[in-house]
Amino acid sequence: EAGVVQSPRYKIIEKKQPVAFWCNPISGHNTLYWYRQNLGQGPELLIRYENEEAVDDSQLPKDRFSAERLKGVDSTLKIQPAELGDSAVYLCASSPWLAGVLYEQYFGPGTRLTVT
Amino acid sequence: AQRVTQPEKLLSVFKGAPVELKCNYSYSGSPELFWYVQYSRQRLQLLLRHISRESIKGFTADLNKGETSFHLKKPFAQEEDSAMYYCALSSHTDKLIFGTGTRLQVFP
Repeated sequence: EAGVVQSPRYKIIEKKQPVAFWCNPISGHNTLYWYRQNLGQGPELLIRYENEEAVDDSQLPKDRFSAERLKGVDSTLKIQPAELGDSAVYLCASSPWLAGVLYEQYFGPGTRLTVT
Repeated sequence: AQRVTQPEKLLSVFKGAPVELKCNYSYSGSPELFWYVQYSRQRLQLLLRHISRESIKGFTADLNKGETSFHLKKPFAQEEDSAMYYCALSSHTDKLIFGTGTRLQVFP
């Protein structure tokens, strides 16, 4: 089992450029999360999917960030245009889901984004 | 507001010494508390959760609702315990709120 897969692992872009991150969750996990981790901070949730539905995107800066999870499996997180303050590690996590049950979240290795 | 506080950025101990990583939380209901760990060059992973009441790798954590704390303890630290430790809170909506983390360094 490869676990949660993310790509790319590293990305360096200039400000105002677009960037996209991809996540493949663990097979059978219907809940998928995107987190952002700034330097010296803990991860902060950006968006949570249950299958293909975004059930919590309250922390997603919708003016420049977008996400999708087509067919309820893989997910893509996009930033357009990127700003210097977007430099961070973007983490994807997945878990099974059952109403009223809180399962362990499994994290991917993250994508380290540097905006210059 | 829901919040998790880890007051120590860095905790350094010698091998065999006791370890206590502090975690305090702010939440009005009955939260679920977790400790996640990230070893060097590895991904973030669950260490333990308060409802399971387990000891994992010699670590234990007790939820103290009166003090709103969930400190992580180990009686005898090992070098392989060196890692970044994050305390996290869930309000039963699958949303995890993380603290800023404590780096544990265990010297030989």
